[in-house]
Amino acid sequence: DQQVKQNSPSLSVQEGRISILNCDYTNSMFDYFLWYKKYPAEGPTFLISISSIKDKNEDGRFTVFLNKSAKHLSLHIVPSQPGDSAVYFCAAGAGNNRKLIWGLGTSLAVNP
Amino acid sequence: ETGVTQSPTHLIKTRGQQVTLRCSSQSGHNTVSWYQQALGQGPQFIFQYYREEENGRGNFPPRFSGLQFPNYSSELNVNALELDDSALYLCASSLEVAGVADTQYFGPGTRLTVL
Repeated sequence: DQQVKQNSPSLSVQEGRISILNCDYTNSMFDYFLWYKKYPAEGPTFLISISSIKDKNEDGRFTVFLNKSAKHLSLHIVPSQPGDSAVYFCAAGAGNNRKLIWGLGTSLAVNP
Repeated sequence: ETGVTQSPTHLIKTRGQQVTLRCSSQSGHNTVSWYQQALGQGPQFIFQYYREEENGRGNFPPRFSGLQFPNYSSELNVNALELDDSALYLCASSLEVAGVADTQYFGPGTRLTVL
């Protein structure tokens, strides 16, 4: 039972264009969400997070949008750069529950 | 670089053996979480330690156990290894203040292969 779903295993984007990575969740108790990026042979690197009291959070080229009614969030990267090529994971948590629930990841390839 | 280190990088064991994986937290962090990431999957939460006590556990059997030391370094121990335990084991450190946990920062992981 996958509570956090990333339905696109891979995405390919041209350098300079926008990358949009999507994530859906089923548990309405989740109240904070995070995006991590992972390169091969490295641990996940924190990118950006959003609390359920917000619908948008922006940090440089990265913006996360949250649609609570649709139980959907998305990560926008603009402009995309070849160095952004990695696997992106969406993770969710509820309150002070220590357990983060992760999606399966989306592999992003940014082509020069 | 997060400042979280893990050792060893790679490890090969046989079924039935025991293994200990180590993690050194980022300076100033008092909380460590361990995750198992099987091939093609997202990380699965194993457990978390806060001030040397287990502070939350995922759906893993008791043969997965851990320790956190006063300097906030940590160990993950797995007894009676099974083939399905082959995975990347990730350690993440964070700072918890007044019951609120901050963002988790990950180490590079230990790749365990069970033959």
